[in-house]
Amino acid sequence: DQQVKQNSPSLSVQEGRISILNCDYTNSMFDYFLWYKKYPAEGPTFLISISSIKDKNEDGRFTVFLNKSAKHLSLHIVPSQPGDSAVYFCAASALKDDYKLSFGAGTTVTVRA
Amino acid sequence: DTAVSQTPKYLVTQMGNDKSIKCEQNLGHDTMYWYKQDSKKFLKIMFSYNNKELIINETVPNRFSPKSPDKAHLNLHINSLELGDSAVYFCASSPGPIGSYGYTFGSGTRLTVV
Repeated sequence: DQQVKQNSPSLSVQEGRISILNCDYTNSMFDYFLWYKKYPAEGPTFLISISSIKDKNEDGRFTVFLNKSAKHLSLHIVPSQPGDSAVYFCAASALKDDYKLSFGAGTTVTVRA
Repeated sequence: DTAVSQTPKYLVTQMGNDKSIKCEQNLGHDTMYWYKQDSKKFLKIMFSYNNKELIINETVPNRFSPKSPDKAHLNLHINSLELGDSAVYFCASSPGPIGSYGYTFGSGTRLTVV
């Protein structure tokens, strides 16, 4: 039972343009949403998080938007750089579950020069 | 200086064998986790320990047994390995069961059961 879904397995974007990654969830009890980036043969690296009481969080080139009514969040990367080519995982956690992370399947981003 | 280190990085073994994967973190974190990434690339939690105490134990076959000798170490022992156990296993840590703080993951152990 996947509670976090990333329906786009891949995304190709030109360097300098915006990358928009989408994530949907089904569990309304989630308190936090997080994005991770993963290179091949490495572990996921934490990028940015957002609390369920907020609708936007920004950190440098990365901005996460949360739409609770639609149970949808997105990650914007502006501008996209070649080093951003990686797999991006959306994740969510709830206090009632001791904040264990539920992950989406990931979106592979390729930034073209 | 690796924050979360797992050994071995690769493990190839025959069905029926028993194997262990070790994990150590030098971040001073209180909470450690084991995640499994299956062939469909989903990352799923297996176990979580907070200060050596088991706090999360997902539906995992009891052939899998975690052991935390101290809060800096969380090892995973697997008995009677099966083909379906082939996956990448990630260890992770966090300051505590805190929602906003991302975990720090190790680089993974690729287990192949033949």
